[in-house]
Amino acid sequence: GAVVSQHPSWVICKSGTSVKIECRSLDFQATTMFWYRQFPKQSLMLMATSNEGSKATYEQGVEKDKFLINHASLTLSTLTVTSAHPEDSSFYICSAGHPGQGSGELFFGEGSRLTVL
Amino acid sequence: GQNIDQPTEMTATEGAIVQINCTYQTSGFNGLFWYQQHAGEAPTFLSYNVLDGLEEKGRFSSFLSRSKGYSYLLLKELQMKDSASYLCAVRDSNYQLIWGAGTKLIIKP
Repeated sequence: GAVVSQHPSWVICKSGTSVKIECRSLDFQATTMFWYRQFPKQSLMLMATSNEGSKATYEQGVEKDKFLINHASLTLSTLTVTSAHPEDSSFYICSAGHPGQGSGELFFGEGSRLTVL
Repeated sequence: GQNIDQPTEMTATEGAIVQINCTYQTSGFNGLFWYQQHAGEAPTFLSYNVLDGLEEKGRFSSFLSRSKGYSYLLLKELQMKDSASYLCAVRDSNYQLIWGAGTKLIIKP
């Protein structure tokens, strides 16, 4: 099946620093990727839709200047958490739909657990 | 508003059968998905229903009734590794995925 890879899996950073998370589609081209955030014992929360070659579409309440998304190629989207604070500590997951899958199921990356000290 | 309801937690015994229900109220309907998510891991796809009826895939089956806004995921011959959260998600008329909060399934020996 389609594979989406995310890196890094774990990251610990100091408050005020920026962290970049990469999401790659390994065996297909993804014009659209999705970035989710998940707090403990809660469901997935869509943060933004990343569109190749254009600006990301952010969900209501998500600060676009804080969560920078770049989708420069058909296989790579990046999420940068700028000036991270402890409340940004969360599990960040990217996903993409394979264009050949009629159902439109999503394939998820492994997730990146961010801890801001 | 759009809403998806599923039980917060369920407990079942190894070897038994469990049914996880999901009811939804969305703006339009373009398919319902079930995903499995183990603690600390990303979700993995289990099933997709767009027409009424039962879809069977090994030990897992998923049922849909669009008129009732209802689906269930049936897990047979439960194994300890089935302990996980099960997420119901509905794709609305804008092809946006609406996620349920997930059902945490606890399997006891």
